[in-house]
Amino acid sequence: GESVGLHLPTLSVQEGDNSIINCAYSNSASDYFIWYKQESGKGPQFIIDIRSNMDKRQGQRVTVLLNKTVKHLSLQIAATQPGDSAVYFCAENMDSGAGSYQLTFGKGTKLSVIP
Amino acid sequence: DAGVTQSPTHLIKTRGQQVTLRCSPKSGHDTVSWYQQALGQGPQFIFQYYEEEERQRGNFPDRFSGHQFPNYSSELNVNALLLGDSALYLCASSRNNYGYTFGSGTRLTVV
Repeated sequence: GESVGLHLPTLSVQEGDNSIINCAYSNSASDYFIWYKQESGKGPQFIIDIRSNMDKRQGQRVTVLLNKTVKHLSLQIAATQPGDSAVYFCAENMDSGAGSYQLTFGKGTKLSVIP
Repeated sequence: DAGVTQSPTHLIKTRGQQVTLRCSPKSGHDTVSWYQQALGQGPQFIFQYYEEEERQRGNFPDRFSGHQFPNYSSELNVNALLLGDSALYLCASSRNNYGYTFGSGTRLTVV
């Protein structure tokens, strides 16, 4: 099975409210995590990343929190806008050995913004 | 600075045929990874190429093969296509196992 999963498959948020998308991972040795946004028919778009030596990282309207104790990631989107409607994936960069890493994705959370 | 470029964007093939998908990595990136994304699912890792060699492979059969060229571009080949191979095929480039950047993908339909 996949080591990265998401708690909620869908999330509906009122425009202007904050959104929180959660993600659990199981490989405690993973050292790098990435959130991607994917719109219909497009490839995943990088939103924000965080390394395991950090607990929090902020970008423009987005914040990622990493809790290594419970192996949990969250993506917070401030003042959610209609353009934020998409599927969001967290990805875990896992060491496959011999210096090789691979990204492992969960199934994704669909965010719908209600105007 | 061009990002990751994939071609073609869409493709329709018949069962049993073979297909080749192409990927040009982002400038400065030397590693290419391929992913298969079925409808409504997250991307699944197929394999990764670095220094023209397959460095890591996911749980995919030998019908899936690839190649990386000296200019870091890459091809994904799938032989003996099955209906279940219909998916969005994504290429991601990176450097030093960071900065994974995805292309827009190739939508493969097998009929």
